[in-house]
Amino acid sequence: SAVISQKPSRDICQRGTSLTIQCQVDSQVTMMFWYRQQPGQSLTLIATANQGSEATYESGFVIDKFPISRPNLTFSTLTVSNMSPEDSSIYLCSVELGHYGYTFGSGTRLTVV
Amino acid sequence: GENVEQHPSTLSVQEGDSAVIKCTYSDSASNYFPWYKQELGKRPQLIIDIRSNVGEKKDQRIAVTLNKTAKHFSLHITETQPEDSAVYFCAASKSGGSNYKLTFGKGTLLTVNP
Repeated sequence: SAVISQKPSRDICQRGTSLTIQCQVDSQVTMMFWYRQQPGQSLTLIATANQGSEATYESGFVIDKFPISRPNLTFSTLTVSNMSPEDSSIYLCSVELGHYGYTFGSGTRLTVV
Repeated sequence: GENVEQHPSTLSVQEGDSAVIKCTYSDSASNYFPWYKQELGKRPQLIIDIRSNVGEKKDQRIAVTLNKTAKHFSLHITETQPEDSAVYFCAASKSGGSNYKLTFGKGTLLTVNP
């Protein structure tokens, strides 16, 4: 199966600042997905990123708060903008790898102080 | 959109017993149903999945059953071991275009007591 590298693995940020999370896949994929997992909760899809087009955001998530880039078929970034303590979560990227199903990156544990 | 309900939220069993986790989904067009295991501080890991053209799938001690008519699917773990302790998530998806996204259940915390 493919390898997904996500970084940073964790960060502590000041409120009002922004953090960009990177996701790199070692094979080309059409869609990349960004999820948020709040402490003790399930995974909630933030947006779907297709190469060469605007990301598709789920209800409750907006581009100004979570801008996404998808410059090629192996890479994507998610930015968490103007952060507040409520943004403290684990952020995970995911890709669909055919027979291997959906695979997740190792996650970014974000704490906003 | 799709809604996935998962029960129970917590499950405690004795080592060697079986564990069953159940999920229901709302969208009859969903056709892919994976199960993930997430250990504390780690990423979700796919443990088994089933597609809508199959009613049951088994992999060693783990099995998944699907009832499309009733729109529910279940995870069965036999001969549980302490290392099976984790949070388990079910999910549903329908293939095609932008509908590849997974919708997750709220998770089940499984504790296997030695």
